[in-house]
Amino acid sequence: AQSVTQLDSQVPVFEEAPVELRCNYSSSVSVYLFWYVQYPNQGLQLLLKYLSGSTLVESINGFEAEFNKSQTSFHLRKPSVHISDTAEYFCAVSDHSYDKVIFGPGTSLSVIP
Amino acid sequence: GAVVSQHPSRVICKSGTSVKIECRSLDFQATTMFWYRQFPKQSLMLMATSNEGSKATYEQGVEKDKFLINHASLTLSTLTVTSAHPEDSSFYICSAWATGGLNYGYTFGSGTRLTVV
Repeated sequence: AQSVTQLDSQVPVFEEAPVELRCNYSSSVSVYLFWYVQYPNQGLQLLLKYLSGSTLVESINGFEAEFNKSQTSFHLRKPSVHISDTAEYFCAVSDHSYDKVIFGPGTSLSVIP
Repeated sequence: GAVVSQHPSRVICKSGTSVKIECRSLDFQATTMFWYRQFPKQSLMLMATSNEGSKATYEQGVEKDKFLINHASLTLSTLTVTSAHPEDSSFYICSAWATGGLNYGYTFGSGTRLTVV
């Protein structure tokens, strides 16, 4: 069985400052990893995903995440945040059979002007 | 914390039959629930937003008559896949937005793996 931990439930950060949202997972099998974002009053959107290959994955809006197998982590980073990045961010994991997708509890990112 | 229970976790049905998936908020009232679908190696796709006491709002390209959503109470939303076909086989997941005195935000069910044979 897999599980996902997002240690920070809320992260306030000033505009243009860097941010890291932490995600750790546990699994006895190989996994796929995802970050989803939910803007206020909207549904989930995929931000980025790791399936295989390069352990560093990037999104089109400046976020990146690095899969670290030894630390079982998939932290999300952005070097300079914008007001528009204010949203809820969910880390998720699934095994390669896609029998179940496990989501973390989410991290609320608030960007302060 | 807020818990969303989704049943069944797995279901196999024959082509042409209908399948109902339940999504319940166990310890909070959910005025809004979301239904998602996920294909292998793809992201979750929002199918519809379900609001208690009113019609669901469907995303573009989602067939309303095929995926019937009912949100008759503050703790239960159901998704019925009508006249299922093999191409409907997928992973379906619901989520609920917890409101009220304790706002837990967005909580997910554990998902339902539907296989149509």
